[in-house]
Amino acid sequence: ETGVTQSPTHLIKTRGQQVTLRCSSQSGHNTVSWYQQALGQGPQFIFQYYREEENGRGNFPPRFSGLQFPNYSSELNVNALELDDSALYLCASSLRLAGGYEQFFGPGTRLTVL
Amino acid sequence: KNQVEQSPQSLIILEGKNCTLQCNYTVSPFSNLRWYKQDTGRGPVSLTIMTFSENTKSNGRYTATLDADTKQSSLHITASQLSDSASYICVVTDRGSTLGRLYFGRGTQLTVWP
Repeated sequence: ETGVTQSPTHLIKTRGQQVTLRCSSQSGHNTVSWYQQALGQGPQFIFQYYREEENGRGNFPPRFSGLQFPNYSSELNVNALELDDSALYLCASSLRLAGGYEQFFGPGTRLTVL
Repeated sequence: KNQVEQSPQSLIILEGKNCTLQCNYTVSPFSNLRWYKQDTGRGPVSLTIMTFSENTKSNGRYTATLDADTKQSSLHITASQLSDSASYICVVTDRGSTLGRLYFGRGTQLTVWP
């Protein structure tokens, strides 16, 4: 176990709806990254938050937004859901190590858009 | 363009056999390379992490190698077990971004048959 938790485990929504996914970071970590992983693909970087500020963003439209709270838990919000948003959404929290940051992944939230 | 390419895309081996997975990358400047194991529908779990100066790292039956000159890495699995069936993802971190941007390969789907 990595100490990173995500909720809910599974979620089913319909096109046009909005969804909020939640992530609780490993204790002491101040950075969280969110990834989208389509079936059979590697994770795609959505964005990263560091100390409650967005610190980088991948190639995702503005309807993907996030928040990081003072306790370093995090939310991923997706508006106007599309069928292609169906994927496993992973969050990862970071602890700095020599040579780079190790990211610890949560178990993911499986989102299905009908 | 920073990319990570893995081969083969999928692999089937018999229990007890060895196998080697490949990873080529173009990420620059390079910080470190990780191999993750991802069970279906779960978050990735780190197996090994190597920095520029390391050319081999072992974790039980898993041995990773890194050639930073040719920008290639391999993951060798010895005496495979049924529980090794999973996707193995090569992830490279760049040193250019403040908090270590990750670049993911698509993964190699390994299936171990009894």
